[in-house]
Amino acid sequence: ETGVTQSPTHLIKTRGQQVTLRCSSQSGHNTVSWYQQALGQGPQFIFQYYREEENGRGNFPPRFSGLQFPNYSSELNVNALELDDSALYLCASSPGGNIISYNEQFFGPGTRLTVL
Amino acid sequence: AQKITQTQPGMFVQEKEAVTLDCTYDTSDPSYGLFWYKQPSSGEMIFLIYQGSYDQQNATEGRYSLNFQKARKSANLVISASQLGDSAMYFCAMREERTGNQFYFGTGTSLTVIP
Repeated sequence: ETGVTQSPTHLIKTRGQQVTLRCSSQSGHNTVSWYQQALGQGPQFIFQYYREEENGRGNFPPRFSGLQFPNYSSELNVNALELDDSALYLCASSPGGNIISYNEQFFGPGTRLTVL
Repeated sequence: AQKITQTQPGMFVQEKEAVTLDCTYDTSDPSYGLFWYKQPSSGEMIFLIYQGSYDQQNATEGRYSLNFQKARKSANLVISASQLGDSAMYFCAMREERTGNQFYFGTGTSLTVIP
């Protein structure tokens, strides 16, 4: 069973640029969530995709967007990068949508984004 | 208001001793789940333990147990027989049924196990 993978591991961008981060979900999981974790903070929910549809969004501006593909892998796109976007971006997959009994989210190793 | 509060930025524990990491939560949803994750320096979040709001007994997973006090809205993590490999950040998180897809995380507690 393959776990959650993310690419790239590290990324350096400059202010105003655009970035795409990628996530492959664990086998059998149709739900992917993205989180932003600033240094010294807990992860903040960005959004979730369930069966290729956005299924909830946290308090992030529209320049944070995403996609989920038929194989349930996902992308996080951030436009017009700002210095405060520097963070660890975590992807998590789980077996199914909103059902609270699906209690586990399996996290990937994260992508560390630095915006200069 | 913060959904999850972790008031201990850093904790130290002697190897083989037990340690309790505090977590309080805030919700009006009667159905919710509480989680603890471990984050080593590598960055990956590792699921440790889960407690459902309707569970009658405290959750246990090996050396991890969750001291669930519903009336106080607390969900403290107890690690028994600490090991050097337990040194990491620990995050408490909550998921509400009404917003089922979103996890709320606390700010974390850094645990250091001393040999």
